[in-house]
Amino acid sequence: EAGVVQSPRYKIIEKKQPVAFWCNPISGHNTLYWYLQNLGQGPELLIRYENEEAVDDSQLPKDRFSAERLKGVDSTLKIQPAELGDSAVYLCASSLAPMADTQYFGPGTRLTVL
Amino acid sequence: AQKVTQAQTEISVVEKEDVTLDCVYETRDTTYYLFWYKQPPSGELVFLIRRNSFDEQNEISGRYSWNFQKSTSSFNFTITASQVVDSAVYFCALRENTGGFKTIFGAGTRLFVKA
Repeated sequence: EAGVVQSPRYKIIEKKQPVAFWCNPISGHNTLYWYLQNLGQGPELLIRYENEEAVDDSQLPKDRFSAERLKGVDSTLKIQPAELGDSAVYLCASSLAPMADTQYFGPGTRLTVL
Repeated sequence: AQKVTQAQTEISVVEKEDVTLDCVYETRDTTYYLFWYKQPPSGELVFLIRRNSFDEQNEISGRYSWNFQKSTSSFNFTITASQVVDSAVYFCALRENTGGFKTIFGAGTRLFVKA
C-alpha cells in the first residue's frame, strides 16, 4: 500500500515569491492534515480536512497561507508571499478518521526562503 | 490545555546499551490517546505505537517497550540493546478527545547510537 506522497521534497525560493506544496494521502483516508515543523521542534498543526471540508484551520496564518482539498483526496498548501520565517518542513499526514486513528505522515517538503 | 514535555533534548549511547526516552503529558480530558513516532534522517515520521488512556498495560514489541503510568502522566519509551539504526528523533504526542482532536507533539528527543 502506498504511503502519503508529497512533492516537491525540497524547494528554495526568494522571499516574497509564492510557493505551493502538494499532498496525496493514503487511499481511503478521509482526514488530511498539514503540519509545520521548525528545526528542532515537533510538528504543529496548520489545518485539518475531513473530506473536502477544512474543520480546523485555527493555526493557519490566513493572510499568506491557503489550502484546498477540492475533491476530498489530494491537497495543496500555498504560501503567498513567502517570508524568511516560513523556512521549515511542511508535513502532510492522513488518517481514516480524526479521533482514534493513527496519523500517517509523508516525507515532507523542506522549504528554504532566501 | 494539553502539553507534552520531552525533557531530554539529546541522548547518546553506545550500541547494545538500553535507553529510555521520557515523555510527560498534561491534559484535563479523561479520554485521550498517546503516540510515539520516530523521525529518521530521511524526515518521514514513522508511527511506533498508540495507546488510549484506559489501557495502562505496558507493551513490548521486539526491542521496543512502552511504560504508561497515568498516576505520573508519563509514557516512557525504552529501546533494549540499541542499534545504530535506532538513531533518529523520537516524538511523543497527545491527542485529546475534545478540542477538535488536535494532536500535540513534544519537541522530540534526538537519539545517537554509536557503533
